[in-house]
Parts: sequence; C-alpha cells; structure tokens
Amino acid sequence: KAGVTQTPRYLIKTRGQQVTLSCSPISGHRSVSWYQQTPGQGLQFLFEYFSETQRNKGNFPGRFSGRQFSNSRSEMNVSTLELGDSALYLCASSLAEHTGELFFGEGSRLTVL
Amino acid sequence: AQRVTQPEKLLSVFKGAPVELKCNYSYSGSPELFWYVQYSRQRLQLLLRHISRESIKGFTADLNKGETSFHLKKPFAQEEDSAMYYCALGRRALTFGSGTRLQVQP
Repeated sequence: KAGVTQTPRYLIKTRGQQVTLSCSPISGHRSVSWYQQTPGQGLQFLFEYFSETQRNKGNFPGRFSGRQFSNSRSEMNVSTLELGDSALYLCASSLAEHTGELFFGEGSRLTVL
Repeated sequence: AQRVTQPEKLLSVFKGAPVELKCNYSYSGSPELFWYVQYSRQRLQLLLRHISRESIKGFTADLNKGETSFHLKKPFAQEEDSAMYYCALGRRALTFGSGTRLQVQP
C-alpha cells in the first residue's frame, strides 16, 4: 500500500501570499489530520477531517483552513502568509476518526520570506 | 488543557545500556498515550500505544496514572534505535511532547 503522499514537498512564498498544500491518504483511510511542526512550538494540531467534514480544529487563526474531498484527499490553505508560518506541515491519515494511531506523510516544508 | 512533557532534549547512551525516555502528561480523564519515532530521513511513525501493552523493537511503555507518566524503556539499546522519539496524548487531536533525541553510541 502506498503511504501518505504530500505535495509539494518544498515551497517558498513571500509574506502576504497564500499557499495550498495537498495530501493523499492511504487507500481506505477516511480520516485526515494536519499538523504544523516548528523548532519553537514543536508539533501542533491544525485540524482533522472525516467524510469531508471538519471534525476538530486546533488553536490557529482563521487564515488556516482546509477541506476534504469525496475521495478522502485533503488540502489545507494558508492565506496572507506571515514569516511565522514557515514550518513543516505534516498530514496524517487513519482508518477511523478520533484515533491517535496516525500514519504520517513526509511533510511539505514551507518557507515564507 | 492537556499537556505532554518530555524533559530531556537529548539522551545519549552506549550500545547495550538500558534506555528510559521520560514522558509525563497532564490530562483530566482516561488518557490515551502513544510513542512515535522518527528515524533519520524517515517519516514520523507510530512505535507503540499504551492500550496494546505490547513490546515493539524491544521497547515497552507502561502507563502510570498515579505519576501521570508513560516512560519508554528498552533494556539493551542498539545503534539502530538512534532517532527522535515523541510522546503523544489524545484521540481527537494529538498533543505531542517536544521530543527526545536518542543517540546510541557504539
């Protein structure tokens, strides 16, 4: 089975721009979660989607949004980028919702200049 | 609010020595705890979960509700155990500790 796939792997943006990151979960997995990883704050939960519905959201500003499609693929969007948004964004999928047994992708590394 | 504390940023041991990676948590209710590991140039992966009470790659972790701890232990460290280890708490949204880098020296 193919693992969780995230695209793009690396990207550079400037302040004020917006970015969209994509995640394809493991086949059969219906839950997708997103995490932000930074050296200062570590791994922080962004949101969880299941059956195209956002089930849970972390403590991030409204500039961070996401969605899930009927094939379980998910995208997250960050608008009006700030320097502090530079991070590794990790997507994880799982068979069921509300589980801590997650399968992570390799991440999308975003640099905001 | 739930919190996970991993007090050591770096733990360095020699091959064959015992390893204990510390994890303390703060949570009101019945916790679900996990250990995740990230080997060099690999993705973050689940190592073990407290409800299964299993041993994976020689590692075990026991939930101690009285001490609110979930320490990861291995009796004899191997060089291939060198990695970043994260303790995590929760179900709906995982709260991760800051991680401990384990270095096993030959």
